[in-house]
Amino acid sequence: EIVLTQSPDFQSVTPKEKVTITCRASQSIGSSLHWYQQKPDQSPKLLIKYASQSISGVPSRFSGSGSGTDFTLTINSLEAEDAAAYYCHQSSSLPYSFGQGTKLEIK
Amino acid sequence: QVQLQESGPGLVKPSQTLSLTCTVSGGSISSGSYYWSWIRQPAGKGLEWIGRIYTSGSTNYNPSLKSRVTISVDTSKNQFSLKLSSVTAADTAVYYCASSIAVATSWFDPWGQGTLVTVSS
Repeated sequence: EIVLTQSPDFQSVTPKEKVTITCRASQSIGSSLHWYQQKPDQSPKLLIKYASQSISGVPSRFSGSGSGTDFTLTINSLEAEDAAAYYCHQSSSLPYSFGQGTKLEIK
Repeated sequence: QVQLQESGPGLVKPSQTLSLTCTVSGGSISSGSYYWSWIRQPAGKGLEWIGRIYTSGSTNYNPSLKSRVTISVDTSKNQFSLKLSSVTAADTAVYYCASSIAVATSWFDPWGQGTLVTVSS
């Protein structure tokens, strides 16, 4: 099973700040890495697919990069509505797995 | 636009079988283009993929749960279902259904709203 490790687990940030969340895979997964946002009491929402491909309807301040074992989700000019948990997910091999999550708090 | 909705008992007794159904609307579950998955999330914790089914009926399960999980599909009702046997308190979680495009490697979208299942006597 592929283990995904996110960092940090928690981050408190101010509006307009730039945020970077990393996801490291225990083995190479190519670009089979996707990012989700989960707000309290909501289901996860797809933000980025295949490491860096944007999703229709997702604000352009969200971007992704990386391949192999190291991936990054970047949020430029953070907004208050971005307070949420963020998860990476690998679909390179079964069983599918998720990172442990990164919780963003807006100061 | 495909939408998913979970349903089932919110309370299950220990050692019994948890049964949930996901109803698909806005598209046919037998279109052949999607995998249909179950994912769970204990309160305050991360996401765990349980397993998936293809419209042909072929399944894949997480080895950590494989001995207790059955996922099935009912194309006549446009639904797929989860059964998890011999439940314990550790199975208490919000259970989500989700779809993914049937390509070699794919993401989950959309997701259902989730349903909380509590295992308690």
